[in-house]
Amino acid sequence: IAGITQAPTSQILAAGRRMTLRCTQDMRHNAMYWYRQDLGLGLRLIHYSNTAGTTGKGEVPDGYSVSRANTDDFPLTLASAVPSQTSVYFCASSDLPGPTDTQYFGPGTRLTVL
Amino acid sequence: AQSVTQLGSHVSVSEGALVLLRCNYSSSVPPYLFWYVQYPNQGLQLLLKYTTGATLVKGINGFEAEFKKSETSFHLTKPSAHMSDAAEYFCAVSEDDYKLSFGAGTTVTVRA
Repeated sequence: IAGITQAPTSQILAAGRRMTLRCTQDMRHNAMYWYRQDLGLGLRLIHYSNTAGTTGKGEVPDGYSVSRANTDDFPLTLASAVPSQTSVYFCASSDLPGPTDTQYFGPGTRLTVL
Repeated sequence: AQSVTQLGSHVSVSEGALVLLRCNYSSSVPPYLFWYVQYPNQGLQLLLKYTTGATLVKGINGFEAEFKKSETSFHLTKPSAHMSDAAEYFCAVSEDDYKLSFGAGTTVTVRA
């Protein structure tokens, strides 16, 4: 069982370019999440999805969009990348979108925007 | 609104010594509390969590944490540090929804 896979592992991107970070889970979890991790700030929620077909905004959604066409995939798109979006991005999932449910994290994507 | 404060961004301990990582939270309702660990170049994994019931929670790898409502704390401890405990540790809180709020993290280094 792979759990959560993310692609690419790392990427260097020119400012203004469009980029999609991929996330796939094989646990049939209902809920999925995107976080960004920045030094000294911990993890901050970008977008989430309670179930396939629904999405919601987290703490820092500006400049990002997501879709949830099916249970397994939850891509994150940067329409026009800016240097402040340089970060490590983690995808996570949980069986149910409940406050006590454990979230399982992918290995992350390190993105540098120049 | 919920938030988490982790005291100390960096903790250095000797192998075999006590590990103590401090976490204080603010929450308008009884919270659910989590500790996650991140090893170098990996994603986060759950160490332990408090939902309801016993306030002393035991987790993986010999870690435990105690929920103290009066002190709004959820400190993480391990009696004897091992080299493999070198990692970054995050405290997190959720309230009545599923959104986790993370602390800034504490990096633990273990000296031989």
